[in-house]
Amino acid sequence: SQQGEEDPQALSIQEGENATMNCSYKTSINNLQWYRQNSGRGLVHLILIRSNEREKHSGRLRVTLDTSKKSSSLLITASRAADTASYFCATDLTANNDMRFGAGTRLTVKP
Amino acid sequence: ETGVTQSPTHLIKTRGQQVTLRCSSQSGHNTVSWYQQALGQGPQFIFQYYREEENGRGNFPPRFSGLQFPNYSSELNVNALELDDSALYLCASSFIAGGNNEQFFGPGTRLTVL
Repeated sequence: SQQGEEDPQALSIQEGENATMNCSYKTSINNLQWYRQNSGRGLVHLILIRSNEREKHSGRLRVTLDTSKKSSSLLITASRAADTASYFCATDLTANNDMRFGAGTRLTVKP
Repeated sequence: ETGVTQSPTHLIKTRGQQVTLRCSSQSGHNTVSWYQQALGQGPQFIFQYYREEENGRGNFPPRFSGLQFPNYSSELNVNALELDDSALYLCASSFIAGGNNEQFFGPGTRLTVL
């Protein structure tokens, strides 16, 4: 079963705007990761945030983690048409060291 | 490019047949995980191999089995194929150390079961 749930399921914005995607999960985690996928191809790792971290940045990406609310957010600033893709959060469960993915947010950035 | 390769790219099988999918891990990685991704869904964890031993399994029946070889390449075998096995199968390699489980995914094998 999938542990994470992304919100919204789909998001459409104009180039230059910011995009925010949220992820909620159910059990305690070791870390949470965000991935990007283009058109049913392989996933590309974006950023990993450990359970004892609250915020991480990587280029135009900002990820926050609130373990008390079991939620995370991914912010993409100054979006580009090339950011159009599906974005998934994945939780690394403490016990089994396996990754559980949500159903993803489909982001469309219009030029 | 992640350095993780998978073969074949596409595969068509009929119900009841068996299939073997292959994955070559990124150099230096000791762990490989396999995922099934149905259309419009997120990947679902099948199992993980660490140093040639199964190191965790998701909610998949025993007809899904795997192997990891000394060179850290891997196979996913599925017996008695069912229509619902049609999906994109992804492998991901990583180097497990201190809880940092950043994974690098291959491009996937798209399996169609008729």
